[in-house]
Amino acid sequence: DGGITQSPKYLFRKEGQNVTLSCEQNLNHDAMYWYRQDPGQGLRLIYYSQIVNDFQKGDIAEGYSVSREKKESFPLTVTSAQKNPTAFYLCASQNRATNSPLHFGNGTRLTVT
Amino acid sequence: AQKVTQAQTEISVVEKEDVTLDCVYETRDTTYYLFWYKQPPSGELVFLIRRNSFDEQNEISGRYSWNFQKSTSSFNFTITASQVVDSAVYFCALSGPLRQGAQKLVFGQGTRLTINP
Repeated sequence: DGGITQSPKYLFRKEGQNVTLSCEQNLNHDAMYWYRQDPGQGLRLIYYSQIVNDFQKGDIAEGYSVSREKKESFPLTVTSAQKNPTAFYLCASQNRATNSPLHFGNGTRLTVT
Repeated sequence: AQKVTQAQTEISVVEKEDVTLDCVYETRDTTYYLFWYKQPPSGELVFLIRRNSFDEQNEISGRYSWNFQKSTSSFNFTITASQVVDSAVYFCALSGPLRQGAQKLVFGQGTRLTINP
């Protein structure tokens, strides 16, 4: 079955450590997105990528970095510069050719203590 | 700037009741798109519907219906004869024109819907 896989589902880190969240899709979608979800605030866009080797900042990119070396993969690194990293992170992909709605993964819940 | 407001933080009803989730939006775009997504306890967002700003016809899909009114900048979602499986967080979202580019969604805060047996 085609879909988006985010791993792991739960991630725990100590403050000051960088951590990388995985997002893999086998839908052959060009575009991929990272959103952050906090209680009572909905989802906010961190980074997005429309093609391989290209990506743009979203609304809350500070303290995060991404790479898009392969079409299938769009990993997100939460750096120590991110002030409040504890959140639920959702990855999504989209077929740009058909302007399909965003297709989301199951998310990764990151807890930093 | 674009903004989506879901004023109802939590709603709780008894099974088989009808329930309406409100969504109000702000945008300066003349062409835009509105979405509803469902987030069950498993965490993923499930796409429910997308409507463009030029199509104000109401949409019905089984027990789900959507009422889009540009005059009041609202895109409300009604579940008829609710079921326990409808329990989830529901998000309304807005995007600008859909060109061959990124579909950057602006989400509302979400409404947590609980259907009690």
